[in-house]
Amino acid sequence: GNSVTQMEGPVTLSEEAFLTINCTYTATGYPSLFWYVQYPGEGLQLLLKATKADDKGSNKGFEATYRKETTSFHLEKGSVQVSDSAVYFCALRSSGAGSYQLTFGKGTKLSVIP
Amino acid sequence: DSGVTQTPKHLITATGQRVTLRCSPRSGDLSVYWYQQSLDQGLQFLIQYYNGEERAKGNILERFSAQQFPDLHSELNLSSLELGDSALYFCASSPGVGGNEKLFFGSGTQLSVL
Repeated sequence: GNSVTQMEGPVTLSEEAFLTINCTYTATGYPSLFWYVQYPGEGLQLLLKATKADDKGSNKGFEATYRKETTSFHLEKGSVQVSDSAVYFCALRSSGAGSYQLTFGKGTKLSVIP
Repeated sequence: DSGVTQTPKHLITATGQRVTLRCSPRSGDLSVYWYQQSLDQGLQFLIQYYNGEERAKGNILERFSAQQFPDLHSELNLSSLELGDSALYFCASSPGVGGNEKLFFGSGTQLSVL
């Protein structure tokens, strides 16, 4: 079955530090990959996505590249801000027709301190 | 604000009881998805409805059921509650049936079973 593994948190960084959150996946076919973010007290929001190999998703300074050869979709940001403090979820959707079932990783909590 | 409304925000109940969680999707969205978020299992897909019909089933227990009404709101019914059912239950919606559509999540209902 499909699965997503992301680095355990929590991660604590100082403002302007470089961020990497690792994500690897197991899936059949050619899944689409996503990063969702959950701010305190809120629901998940789509941060970025990539639908095929070598695609790079980007949004709000965050980037992730779909690497089929390493089955990875690591999230990066060059300079984090306090407002980036949240829980980040890596997710995949299998290829093929059907419902939009997302398989999520367990989440990585990021805390950015001034 | 995602436009997805979930009520109640918090629910405290006892083992063996039955509760109903309600979700109103974004205006115009036809699909509703239910997810369970717990510390040990992470985010688990439960069930999807599209325009009133069940579209896909995930890891939903037989004690749980859901439905989507003609006005497109959805309810998740949890019965014979156990301590392990304590979790954050999210509803999400999307315009269509699947594909690579963006999901919009509500803020969740925090269920505590005592």
